[in-house]
Amino acid sequence: ETGVTQSPTHLIKTRGQQVTLRCSSQSGHNTVSWYQQALGQGPQFIFQYYREEENGRGNFPPRFSGLQFPNYSSELNVNALELDDSALYLCASSFGTGGLGNTIYFGEGSWLTVV
Amino acid sequence: QKEVEQDPGPLSVPEGAIVSLNCTYSNSAFQYFMWYRQYSRKGPELLMYTYSSGNKEDGRFTAQVDKSSKYISLFIRDSQPSDSATYLCAIPSSGGSYIPTFGRGTSLIVHP
Repeated sequence: ETGVTQSPTHLIKTRGQQVTLRCSSQSGHNTVSWYQQALGQGPQFIFQYYREEENGRGNFPPRFSGLQFPNYSSELNVNALELDDSALYLCASSFGTGGLGNTIYFGEGSWLTVV
Repeated sequence: QKEVEQDPGPLSVPEGAIVSLNCTYSNSAFQYFMWYRQYSRKGPELLMYTYSSGNKEDGRFTAQVDKSSKYISLFIRDSQPSDSATYLCAIPSSGGSYIPTFGRGTSLIVHP
């Protein structure tokens, strides 16, 4: 167990709807990163939050947005869902924004199916 | 060209075999390389990281970097059924941060 918890574990949404995924980081961690992992692919970086500010973003459209709270938990919001958004969404926490040997710890993910 | 390329497999081996998992990367400036292991329906976990070139050993696992050919390898000795998982290589994203950019992963099956 990494101490990173995500909810919900599974959900089904309809194309065009909006979804919010939640993540509680490991105790003592102030940085949260979100990844999208399609079936048979590696995780793709969406964005990172450090002390409530966005600290880097991957190649994802603006309808993917996020938030980090004062307790360092985080939300990922996706608007106007598309079928290709069906994937495993992974949250990872770390202390600091990275560095040699600074390990990030992943949660077990939220499985999103868009129909 | 993707920053890191990896054969998806699956790779099926008998218990006790030596396993070789490989990735190629495109940016010769990278000096930090990571291997993650992902069990079915779980998040990835960091297995090993290496800095610069050469070998790094941790128990049955050895990570190797060949910078001249931009090739990274993970060797597993005396493979066990519990090693069955997807192995993801990762490099730091461009720009100097340590946010990992992952390959697509190689699925390994070790059968008894």
